[in-house]
Amino acid sequence: QKEVEQNSGPLSVPEGAIASLNCTYSDRGSQSFFWYRQYSGKSPELIMSIYSNGDKEDGRFTAQLNKASQYVSLLIRDSQPSDSATYLCAVNNNAGNMLTFGGGTRLMVKP
Amino acid sequence: KAGVTQTPRYLIKTRGQQVTLSCSPISGHRSVSWYQQTPGQGLQFLFEYFSETQRNKGNFPGRFSGRQFSNSRSEMNVSTLELGDSALYLCASRPPGTGELFFGEGSRLTVL
Repeated sequence: QKEVEQNSGPLSVPEGAIASLNCTYSDRGSQSFFWYRQYSGKSPELIMSIYSNGDKEDGRFTAQLNKASQYVSLLIRDSQPSDSATYLCAVNNNAGNMLTFGGGTRLMVKP
Repeated sequence: KAGVTQTPRYLIKTRGQQVTLSCSPISGHRSVSWYQQTPGQGLQFLFEYFSETQRNKGNFPGRFSGRQFSNSRSEMNVSTLELGDSALYLCASRPPGTGELFFGEGSRLTVL
């Protein structure tokens, strides 16, 4: 079992819809959770971080964390074609300061 | 503020050679991490340096090594290159007191 799991997709949504990306993790002691966006041929870019249970909103993005169920999700409202990218979930495990990344979910937003 | 700078951006080597990659973190960031990204394995942690000390190391063979200098700049070295070392090597720096990583553009290594 991978430590951080994501559906590889592609997840296809129409422009203007809500895109929902999910991630589960195995280390119950994980404390910090991050979402990165990676465009094809580019490096990962941090878009959200979340540290406590509940929702955290930043513009069109909402991160949701449920430590009891060991999942974290990212909602993108009013999806735009420019949101088409691979979204990586990352978890800071208890072993140190390293981040463990999921395999990423490829999102396609169709005009 | 300048971002994380990695050099070179692209390089081609042959099997058996060695390569050194360089990373300059964001000013004020003392922690530097290195990751390898391949289509098959995704992003895998190589090592992390803080104040010139390696704090964590991923599950990679000893051919992969790194170091950090007093100005926080870091280098990683891969010796005796293998075809499977072809990858995007990403350096990331971390602001003090946070877990967030900020990545450079990466060094794309092709081993022929």
